[in-house]
Amino acid sequence: EVQLVQSAAEVKKPGESLKISCKGSGYSFTSYWIGWVRQMPGKGLEWMGIIYPGDSDTRYSPSFQGQVTISADKSISTAYLQWRSLKASDTAMYYCARQPENALDIWGQGTMVTVSS
Amino acid sequence: DIQMTQSPSSLSASVGDRVSITCRASQVISTYLNWYQQKPGKAPNLLIYAASSLQSGVPSRFSGSGSGTDFTLTISSLQPEDFATYYCQQSDGTPPTFGGGTKVEIK
Repeated sequence: EVQLVQSAAEVKKPGESLKISCKGSGYSFTSYWIGWVRQMPGKGLEWMGIIYPGDSDTRYSPSFQGQVTISADKSISTAYLQWRSLKASDTAMYYCARQPENALDIWGQGTMVTVSS
Repeated sequence: DIQMTQSPSSLSASVGDRVSITCRASQVISTYLNWYQQKPGKAPNLLIYAASSLQSGVPSRFSGSGSGTDFTLTISSLQPEDFATYYCQQSDGTPPTFGGGTKVEIK
């Protein structure tokens, strides 16, 4: 079964760092782009960026460039999304998703990140 | 960024109804348009890609049409499991952008 499994929910304080993960299985992880999508509470979907695990080619939305870092470790079929210094406004559900062509066809279950003092 | 405008933002319908949701792009995107369904507390699910191609495993009551700037998602006969929020997404420009969503509720 093709699936993406994300790391568990996190509760952090403002200023802390965080790295969440997305592990792929059931397909060739290095052959498909993996994207990250943010959904703030009660709001819509926002595309953050994308990485090709085969060569770590990474693209960011201008809205998220410099705010997060996307990376991947192809040896363990895992993509990552990380923050150096969290803000309360980073509180959201974060999804990873596979992108074979121009659509996001397989989604992880989501990781809820809560940033609160 | 390409702006995607969905309408309506919400609608009420009954089981068996034919439902249509529209999505308009701020510039021409050919057929680089996808539709997703999201149920509460769940990840989105791809329904339609490239404007009119049905994703594997998605019921045939879902269909998509359009090209250029105007697109439509149609549910031919609404079923109880279809009550959800639907999002369009353009994948022509970078970054890909989503519409604001259409919530389909039970009448």
